[in-house]
Amino acid sequence: GAGVSQSPRYKVAKRGQDVALRCDPISGHVSLFWYQQALGQGPEFLTYFQNEAQLDKSGLPSDRFFAERPEGSVSTLKIQRTQQEDSAVYLCATEGAGANEQFFGPGTRLTVL
Amino acid sequence: DAKTTQPPSMDCAEGRAANLPCNHSTISGNEYVYWYRQIHSQGPQYIIHGLKNNETNEMASLIITEDRKSSTLILPHATLRDTAVYYCIVRVWNTGGFKTIFGAGTRLFVKA
Repeated sequence: GAGVSQSPRYKVAKRGQDVALRCDPISGHVSLFWYQQALGQGPEFLTYFQNEAQLDKSGLPSDRFFAERPEGSVSTLKIQRTQQEDSAVYLCATEGAGANEQFFGPGTRLTVL
Repeated sequence: DAKTTQPPSMDCAEGRAANLPCNHSTISGNEYVYWYRQIHSQGPQYIIHGLKNNETNEMASLIITEDRKSSTLILPHATLRDTAVYYCIVRVWNTGGFKTIFGAGTRLFVKA
């Protein structure tokens, strides 16, 4: 596809379950970002990859959050032992080398019951 | 922490220019000003960016003050489809890694 895709678009989890959220970047984009967006708030940075290297994970809220991009393309954000406060939209964005524009996916809306 | 300050909401009449202000008084010399917008239930969409010169593209114009402490995004002829949350952010290109800090944005309502 032409844009960033994310799956699933919606995820409902029971508290304590593990979830995995997938991001398929635009082909060739070296930079990949994950954001968390709570209802009514702006996106908050979680982590950043350049190719397969995770260069910044300072925004991950706890050690229950883990992100990977093993081959420098598809990325997965994993949340272990989900809590209700993890309920949010998780956005993925990618950017080409030397580019000035982040392209965002539609997000995954996670609801933890 | 967000490095920008924006009004929480603004109204604009359809067909008129929408002028969205942003303060970034602590901006440093190598930081760019970016604008994104987010329509309900979609991911943010890039609009425009600039360093110190005014910029224009097919979507909008960006006016940056000479001291770079503030900027204004101008939508020259707002339509109902421009109703969205508009985010002003500053970011520096750094191959060692960087993060983009979004604030709460300005919710623009375009009214018929």
